Parts: sequence; C-alpha cells; structure tokens
Amino acid sequence: TQLLEQSPQFLSIQEGENLTVYCNSSSVFSSLQWYRQEPGEGPVLLVTVVTGGEVKKLKRLTFQFGDARKDSSLHITAAQTGDTGLYLCADQAGTALIFGKGTTLSVSS
Amino acid sequence: EAQVTQNPRYLITVTGKKLTVTCSQNMNHEYMSWYRQDPGLGLRQIYYSMNVEVTDKGDVPEGYKVSRKEKRNFPLILESPSPNQTSLYFCASWEIMSSTEAFFGQGTRLTVV
Repeated sequence: TQLLEQSPQFLSIQEGENLTVYCNSSSVFSSLQWYRQEPGEGPVLLVTVVTGGEVKKLKRLTFQFGDARKDSSLHITAAQTGDTGLYLCADQAGTALIFGKGTTLSVSS
Repeated sequence: EAQVTQNPRYLITVTGKKLTVTCSQNMNHEYMSWYRQDPGLGLRQIYYSMNVEVTDKGDVPEGYKVSRKEKRNFPLILESPSPNQTSLYFCASWEIMSSTEAFFGQGTRLTVV
C-alpha cells in the first residue's frame, strides 16, 4: 500500500514570509496532485504534475516534482493570510486517489 | 457550475438511529467516492463507485452502505451509527482517467452521541 508522508505537519508563519512543504511517497507517483482545503470546505485542486523534474508555478506557489517521481515540494513566496489552510498531496491513478495527511498552514498578519 | 452537493452540512444524531447523507454531482462523472477525515488520520476512502450499480469497498467500509441507482447520486447510509463514526465526511467525483481533477463536496460534519 502506497504511503504519502507530508512535512511539516503544522506550520505557523507571519505574512510576507516564505515557506516550503514536502511530500514523499513510498512508491513512484502515477500522477501527483496538490490540493488546498480551507476550514469548513472540501479540498480544491491546485496543480497536477506528471513528469519527473517538472516545475509548475501558480502565482506565488511553485511546485517541484523530483526526478525519481517519489517526492515533491510546494514553495510559497511572500505568504498571505489567504494562504491559510490544509495542503494535501495526493496520487491520482484513474480510480485511486490516495492522500497524505497534510500540512496545516497558518499565516497571521 | 461544476458542483458536488452534499446534504446535510451538519448532523447530530443518537447511536443506532439510521441516517443517510446525500451526494449529487452535475458533471456526468462515472466515478464517485466517499471519504472520512479525522484528525491525525487524514482522508480515508469508505466506498467508491465506478458507475451505476457498481460499488466497492474502500479502506474503512465497516458500518457504512452506499448505493448508485443513478449516475449523479451516491448516498452514504449509516444503518446503525456509533460514536466512532463521528467524523467529517466528503463526497467526491471525477472522470476515470489519470491526472484528472477530483471535485469534492463541502463536507458533512456528523456527530453521533
């Protein structure tokens, strides 16, 4: 059974700081996805990456996929209070969607 | 607007009283799934359905039932709820192909006393 480990579990920072969160898989990803879940809501897809070594940018968010396709990082530049939430990595392979336990990010002003 | 709709959003019930949480999607997705989310345990799959009349167990199916009589609807049934089923529940749907986006409902917070 594939296991996705995310670190850190919790992160509390001030507005304007930079941060990086990590996701490591016990096996090669089929299709790595990052979701953000805000309090009281369901997860919402941020990005899908498939190719090893791929880097995707979404405004202040930068997603990196390891060459071996077993690890990923999410970097946020100049965090804002609106970035607060639970960041989940997942492996999506057709009928299977397996999640890590997530990183809870709190950004205060 | 692409949507997965769950009802109710909040529910408090007593042990043993049967309940149903409804889920409906408007994207004509074949695949639908139920998850529960608990602190420290993350999102765990309860049941899934690959199409009408096709359902199967996920990782934590005990105490739950589902049905898929129509493509858009996938209700979750708790025949005899127990306190260990107190949790946050999410319904999701997506196309059955790799790299496709999963759409989630807003969640149902269930408390069984």
